[in-house]
Amino acid sequence: QTVVTQEPSLTVSPGGTVTLTCASSTGAVTSGFHPNWFQQKPGQAPRALIYNTSNKHSWTPARFSGSLLGGKAALTVSGVQPEDEAEYYCLLYYDSAYIWVFGGGTKLIVL
Amino acid sequence: EVQLVESGGGLVQPGGSLRLSCAASGFTFSSYFMIWVRQAPGKGLEWVANIKPDGSGENYVDSVKGRFTISRDNGKNSLYLQMNSLRVEDTAIYYCTRGQGWSEGDYWGQGTLVTVSS
Repeated sequence: QTVVTQEPSLTVSPGGTVTLTCASSTGAVTSGFHPNWFQQKPGQAPRALIYNTSNKHSWTPARFSGSLLGGKAALTVSGVQPEDEAEYYCLLYYDSAYIWVFGGGTKLIVL
Repeated sequence: EVQLVESGGGLVQPGGSLRLSCAASGFTFSSYFMIWVRQAPGKGLEWVANIKPDGSGENYVDSVKGRFTISRDNGKNSLYLQMNSLRVEDTAIYYCTRGQGWSEGDYWGQGTLVTVSS
């Protein structure tokens, strides 16, 4: 069974920079996994931030960026704002089975 | 404005069936993959299934294969999820979302709650 792993929680100070990562149990994450990133706040539906590794949606704040880093997908938030406190999920595509798999989520705490 | 509105959730006994619907508006429905994602209470997101724009192919997570069927009616701008042989572990909020290119879920509905319990 394929497992996608994220940090359970990260803490960052307002104005700081933080990088969340997303790893695959099958090996290194490459562009062929087409990573997507989502933000979810309590009681709300998820909101899409990044698709296809590094592409932003029209509503994605400039401080969010996506990349590949050391065999993982990565979401970097530069100049963190208090409103960025939320759960963040990555989503990877597995072309061997034509399915997508979410990571377990990272709770970002802004303190 | 893109809108996705799910309906059909509720309480069902284990082994029972339920059909979820998602009404889409504000975009050309027939041009997009459509997707169901679920979230068990207090847990993370789980990708459940998707269906091609013309309805010619579907994909499912292993845990629902053979029990759930995703379908769509492009004439009615509607997406469906037929859920049979429901289990307690299927209890979740079910979200409808859309995909295009390698964007798997840009706009989302507010979800519909399915509770499987005796």
